[in-house]
Amino acid sequence: NAGVMQNPRHLVRRRGQEARLRCSPMKGHSHVYWYRQLPEEGLKFMVYLQKENIIDESGMPKERFSAEFPKEGPSILRIQQVVRGDSAAYFCASSPRGAEQFFGPGTRLTVL
Amino acid sequence: DAKTTQPTSMDCAEGRAANLPCNHSTISGNEYVYWYRQIHSQGPQYIIHGLKNNETNEMASLIITEDRKSSTLILPHATLRDTAVYYCIVRVGNTGNQFYFGTGTSLTVIP
Repeated sequence: NAGVMQNPRHLVRRRGQEARLRCSPMKGHSHVYWYRQLPEEGLKFMVYLQKENIIDESGMPKERFSAEFPKEGPSILRIQQVVRGDSAAYFCASSPRGAEQFFGPGTRLTVL
Repeated sequence: DAKTTQPTSMDCAEGRAANLPCNHSTISGNEYVYWYRQIHSQGPQYIIHGLKNNETNEMASLIITEDRKSSTLILPHATLRDTAVYYCIVRVGNTGNQFYFGTGTSLTVIP
């Protein structure tokens, strides 16, 4: 059973461009979470989704950030008009029933 | 979710048991204690979780005090590959809610 997969692993964008981060949960997992980690800090929750539904987006910035988890395909975290402060590692986690979460390797976003 | 307090850093000799403490004095009756670790810049790795009874798996043991105000993660025979940041998290179990990651304990296993 493959683990949580994220791609790309590294993403470089210029200010003002869009960033799309993908997360494929473990097989059979219907809960997906996105976290952001700034350098030298712990992970900060962003959003929690189940198939086609956003359950909790209390950690998402109000502007420029959006997330989806469609019926088919991976979950997508989208950042529009990126700024330097968006540079961070973005981790996705999945869970079969909302208890323990299994994390992917992360996407390192660098905004030039 | 209850707040946790962990030492910032710890050292442990290779082959010895690593005992990582965590205080969670405001934990409520339906909150579980979870432990994760993050090796270098990898994604956090689930280690173990428990409610009130001590738990053991192939990675570690979790000892929770009777009043549940603190717990200890035990790595029985630490190896160099156990060098990581260890996070103690409390959360209402099986609700699907987010995890609150604090700053954790940076464990260094010394040869």
